[in-house]
Amino acid sequence: EIVLTQSPATLSVSPGDTATLSCRASQSIRNNLAWYQQIPGRAPRLLIYAASTRATGVPARFSGSGSGTEFTLSVSSLQSEDFAVYYCQQYSNWPLTFGQGTRLEIQ
Amino acid sequence: QEVLVESGGGLVKPGGSLRLSCEASGFVFSDSYMSWIRQAPGQGLEWVSYITASGQTKYYADSVKGRFTISRDNTKKSVFLEMNSLRAEDTAIYYCAVSGDNDAFDVWGQGTMVTVSS
Repeated sequence: EIVLTQSPATLSVSPGDTATLSCRASQSIRNNLAWYQQIPGRAPRLLIYAASTRATGVPARFSGSGSGTEFTLSVSSLQSEDFAVYYCQQYSNWPLTFGQGTRLEIQ
Repeated sequence: QEVLVESGGGLVKPGGSLRLSCEASGFVFSDSYMSWIRQAPGQGLEWVSYITASGQTKYYADSVKGRFTISRDNTKKSVFLEMNSLRAEDTAIYYCAVSGDNDAFDVWGQGTMVTVSS
């Protein structure tokens, strides 16, 4: 099973600043990685797939990068609605796995 | 607009059974690959099961293998999760989701809560 490790667990950032979230895979997953945003009480929402491609309707301030085992999600010009929990997920190998999540909170 | 609506959750005793349903609309369900994903209270996301468009291929997480069965009815645009021998650790919100051409989970339902408790 591929283990995804997200860091940090919690990130405190001020509105308007940039947040950088990391996801590390226990073995190479090429670019088969997605990022999701989850606001408390709501279902997750797809942000990024194929490591760096924004899903339909996702603002350009969200960007993904990386390949192999190291991946990054950056959120620039943070707005109030961006403070949420973010999960990475790999679809390279079965079983499909998620990271444990990074909580992005307002500083 | 693609919409998924789950139903069938509820309170069940340990060892009991439950059948979840997920009805789709707004996209070609018969061409779509579907999954169930769960989230225990206050915890992260855990993929549970997957079924191909035809229903011929299915995958399960080790934690549910042998107890849960995924199926689908393309005429009803629905996917199901039959859950048997339920345990306290199966308590979670269960989401259904569709994998798009990008293989990621494009669309999610609102979830249905399953509570396993005596």
